[in-house]
Amino acid sequence: DAMVIQNPRYQVTQFGKPVTLSCSQTLNHNVMYWYQQKSSQAPKLLFHYYDKDFNNEADTPDNFQSRRPNTSFCFLDIRSPGLGDAAMYLCATSRGRTSGRYNEQFFGPGTRLTVL
Amino acid sequence: LAKTTQPISMDSYEGQEVNITCSHNNIATNDYITWYQQFPSQGPRFIIQGYKTKVTNEVASLFIPADRKSSTLSLPRVSLSDTAVYYCLVGSNNNDMRFGAGTRLTVKP
Repeated sequence: DAMVIQNPRYQVTQFGKPVTLSCSQTLNHNVMYWYQQKSSQAPKLLFHYYDKDFNNEADTPDNFQSRRPNTSFCFLDIRSPGLGDAAMYLCATSRGRTSGRYNEQFFGPGTRLTVL
Repeated sequence: LAKTTQPISMDSYEGQEVNITCSHNNIATNDYITWYQQFPSQGPRFIIQGYKTKVTNEVASLFIPADRKSSTLSLPRVSLSDTAVYYCLVGSNNNDMRFGAGTRLTVKP
């Protein structure tokens, strides 16, 4: 089945130690998104790629960066994780960005990041 | 960006119809209304999307009045497995849509 895969499902890192989360998709979608979801809160968009075009949200901290080496893979890099970065990180994809039929987002299962 | 307001929580019983209303008073002409469902420790899942009037799929119905300032997600005959958080999003692009607080639906036996 076509899907969005996130690895690892659980990640533990130390305060200040860089960490990379990965996302892959078999849907061949043009757009890939990264969301942060803290406990009992709604998902918050960090940035998205439309093909190779990177789009950062204005309030996303510089500590968060992303790479998309090809259509299938997208990475979230947290350069110096703080305790406040502990959260679920969700990857999503869509065919296109505009709302409307066939452009809904498909989410992966998420990676839960713990910062010690 | 259109802001949405939903009830924080709702309770229901198995077999009942559940209607969750979302207010979006400043919806723009090109905005669509999209609903997602999220179970604990999982990513959100698309339920339904609409622009006006009524949309129905195998999972739910979405009712949108003529002024489009609100919408109602209708879940027919809910079961325990429908216990989840339901999010209403409004926007013309996926990257413009914002997840609000959502509605936590609890279905009881």
